[in-house]
Amino acid sequence: DTEVTQTPKHLVMGMTNKKSLKCEQHMGHRAMYWYKQKAKKPPELMFVYSYEKLSINESVPSRFSPECPNSSLLNLHLHALQPEDSALYLCASSPTPPGQSYEQYFGPGTRLTVT
Amino acid sequence: KNQVEQSPQSLIILEGKNCTLQCNYTVSPFSNLRWYKQDTGRGPVSLTIMTFSENTKSNGRYTATLDADTKQSSLHITASQLSDSASYICVVTPSGGSYIPTFGRGTSLIVHP
Repeated sequence: DTEVTQTPKHLVMGMTNKKSLKCEQHMGHRAMYWYKQKAKKPPELMFVYSYEKLSINESVPSRFSPECPNSSLLNLHLHALQPEDSALYLCASSPTPPGQSYEQYFGPGTRLTVT
Repeated sequence: KNQVEQSPQSLIILEGKNCTLQCNYTVSPFSNLRWYKQDTGRGPVSLTIMTFSENTKSNGRYTATLDADTKQSSLHITASQLSDSASYICVVTPSGGSYIPTFGRGTSLIVHP
């Protein structure tokens, strides 16, 4: 199994809702990432988990809360989002944490719309 | 500040033709340089990855080159197909510091029949 899966594919939520994005990989990778991508822009790094511990938080607002329950799963909990948070949210994984010559595998993304 | 600049911003070619996309970077020293293909609304898919000591890497019709002295990379697509229509993103990972990769803004390629 050489893929990263993300659910749901699409999500529409109101500003008062609480929802979660899920990411899963079964490649034995030890690092997992969340990125946010706006249309026609490159992905922006949000969080990095290395060996199931949060290692990088790129000054992301607290309305985004990551969670890594185990080495295969990565969640992104959403609460009180703003319309400008609408974007494609990408999950990625790599065999080793940042700092080594690694291959980063991306999931298909979750298209989030905040109304 | 680490930067990755890609050119052209967009490119339209006819099916069957070749094309070359450019990537200039200021990241130094760097660990690796990757080229990704991203279809609209989908996650990026890796095409090639090169370390600083490699000059070229091929993946089917895709060939990436790297000149670490001039800090330039190119992605050459041979015999383009309609399915090559996508955004091509150059990503450079620094060696040292937080090792956070820097993404280019991508080149949007459209292949017409």
